[in-house]
Amino acid sequence: QVQLVESGGGVVQPGGSLRLSCAASGFSFSSHGMHWVRQAPGKGLEWVTFIPYDGINKYYADSVRGRFTISRDNSKNTLFLQMNSLRAEDTALYYCAKEWGGALDYWGQGTLVTVSS
Amino acid sequence: SYELTQPLSVSVALGQTARITCGGNNIGSKNVHWYQQKPGQAPVLVIYRDNNRPSGIPERFSGSKSGNTATLTISRAQAGDEADYYCQVWDSSISWVFGGGTKLTVL
Repeated sequence: QVQLVESGGGVVQPGGSLRLSCAASGFSFSSHGMHWVRQAPGKGLEWVTFIPYDGINKYYADSVRGRFTISRDNSKNTLFLQMNSLRAEDTALYYCAKEWGGALDYWGQGTLVTVSS
Repeated sequence: SYELTQPLSVSVALGQTARITCGGNNIGSKNVHWYQQKPGQAPVLVIYRDNNRPSGIPERFSGSKSGNTATLTISRAQAGDEADYYCQVWDSSISWVFGGGTKLTVL
């Protein structure tokens, strides 16, 4: 079955950096686009970024463009999110999710990022 | 940027029908997807492309669209349906947009 397992979250100071990972299994990772979606405490879902199966074109929400970078290693079935210049408002649970015709059909359990001094 | 509008909360009596709306400009031209999120859990896709159910989702869940509004309908509501529900579309600005979410309470 499809499994997505995020890791790399933690507490970081404002202006700091963090790198999230998402280990995928149970499907052909190299054939599918992948997303990061976040959810601030007590808030709704916010799409963050998308990378297609080949990793060539990448798309970002305005709130993170220029600070976050999505990437993937198809040889290791792993998705990444490099987060720089972190702000308090980036505090959230970060989910990776599999793309499926415009929908997100499988989600991981999330990894928590807290930006605080 | 494109926006989707959902009511903050919807209440339904046990066994009755709940309807959760999602409004957006020209939503009729977009594929609408719906997610269920229970407390402490990751979202689960319950409806894709307006009115299709993924494998394992009960037939009680259905989707529809009319004009500038999409609707998630939950028939014969159960206590286990209590959750937050989100609509989502892909916008031509190359972004995936979520509605603000609706908290469903089963009375």
